[in-house]
Amino acid sequence: GQNIDQPTEMTATEGAIVQINCTYQTSGFNGLFWYQQHAGEAPTFLSYNVLDGLEEKGRFSSFLSRSKGYSYLLLKELQMKDSASYLCAVKAAGNKLTFGGGTRVLVKP
Amino acid sequence: EPEVTQTPSHQVTQMGQEVILRCVPISNHLYFYWYRQILGQKVEFLVSFYNNEISEKSEIFDDQFSVERPDGSNFTLKIRSTKLEDSAMYFCASGGGAETQYFGPGTRLLVL
Repeated sequence: GQNIDQPTEMTATEGAIVQINCTYQTSGFNGLFWYQQHAGEAPTFLSYNVLDGLEEKGRFSSFLSRSKGYSYLLLKELQMKDSASYLCAVKAAGNKLTFGGGTRVLVKP
Repeated sequence: EPEVTQTPSHQVTQMGQEVILRCVPISNHLYFYWYRQILGQKVEFLVSFYNNEISEKSEIFDDQFSVERPDGSNFTLKIRSTKLEDSAMYFCASGGGAETQYFGPGTRLLVL
């Protein structure tokens, strides 16, 4: 079976850094995705990791350790508009994505 | 920037009726997907489609559901004999390869 865990909620201050962890146990691994989802809207693609290491894209970075079944999404210089849910999704086999429950990030002034 | 589009944005139907949800994937993409998200729950995979056939489907995607690519641009999800528990947001996604899946804005389906 597939199991993807991430914290339910996190709170951070505008301008700060927040790290959202995701651990997974899946039968097979073909890549890990991070999406941002504002309430009532569609998931927006943020990053894709298939090899170990850090991928940086502007204020957002994503890290993967396949041996540990672990990823994190790092959000730097937080802005109020970053308040959203962040979804970790694993592609175990084929192209099907299995999503975690999402981490709701609240950015406070 | 190219986007996945979906119609309608909202659909209200009576239990037992059939609905067709429509999607226009990004034009040069080859992989197409349907996901759904029941209010307050996780995004769930329904089906993937490649080379004019279903490549994968979940347990949710039973005989009540079907997908079609009737022409070069549209990708549809048909739900027959809708049930109350089919009420959800339905997302279409498309990808050019293994490393991308871009989601459309969704169709909110309410079954009464």
